[in-house]
Amino acid sequence: NAGVTQTPKFRVLKTGQSMTLLCAQDMNHEYMYWYRQDPGMGLRLIHYSVGEGTTAKGEVPDGYNVSRLKKQNFLLGLESAAPSQTSVYFCASSRSAGTSGITDTQYFGPGTRLTVL
Amino acid sequence: GQNIDQPTEMTATEGAIVQINCTYQTSGFNGLFWYQQHAGEAPTFLSYNVLDGLEEKGRFSSFLSRSKGYSYLLLKELQMKDSASYLCAVRGRSGGYNKLIFGAGTRLAVHP
Repeated sequence: NAGVTQTPKFRVLKTGQSMTLLCAQDMNHEYMYWYRQDPGMGLRLIHYSVGEGTTAKGEVPDGYNVSRLKKQNFLLGLESAAPSQTSVYFCASSRSAGTSGITDTQYFGPGTRLTVL
Repeated sequence: GQNIDQPTEMTATEGAIVQINCTYQTSGFNGLFWYQQHAGEAPTFLSYNVLDGLEEKGRFSSFLSRSKGYSYLLLKELQMKDSASYLCAVRGRSGGYNKLIFGAGTRLAVHP
């Protein structure tokens, strides 16, 4: 049981290049999330998905696109990378979004360190 | 709006007790989480509170007061391996779904 995995672990891009980050989970979770983490700031939600075939915008969606074609996978795309997108990207999943009294913890992948030059 | 405040850094001595505070403002409060994050690693779940009071789990305890918008994480018998960032996260309702809002984290350094 690998939990949440992310590929790649590190990547360096030039401004204007594109790339896709892959997240996979083997816990049969319905909900998946993409966050970015920058120094001095909390984890910020980029996009999320409440089930296969659905996606929604989070707090900082501009410059990113996502797809959830299969329940276990959640892809994050950067169409034209910018230096402001230099960050550590974390994927997470949870059984659901949680209702009152239910934990429904989010489980995080190991992260992808992206540098845009 | 939604806002979470926690101290940026704290230091403590091995074997001691440390309390990390978190204050929050959110709409549709539906639980508060504490995560531990070692440098260069993923956040890992520590504790969850949805009702007022203290939840104890081994050396770690977490307290919640919903009326005050306040929580703390208490770490006892500190060990060197407890040096990490501790993230306070509040689950609130926005856009029809529950979402987690994270604080910036408190970096704890444990010294011998």
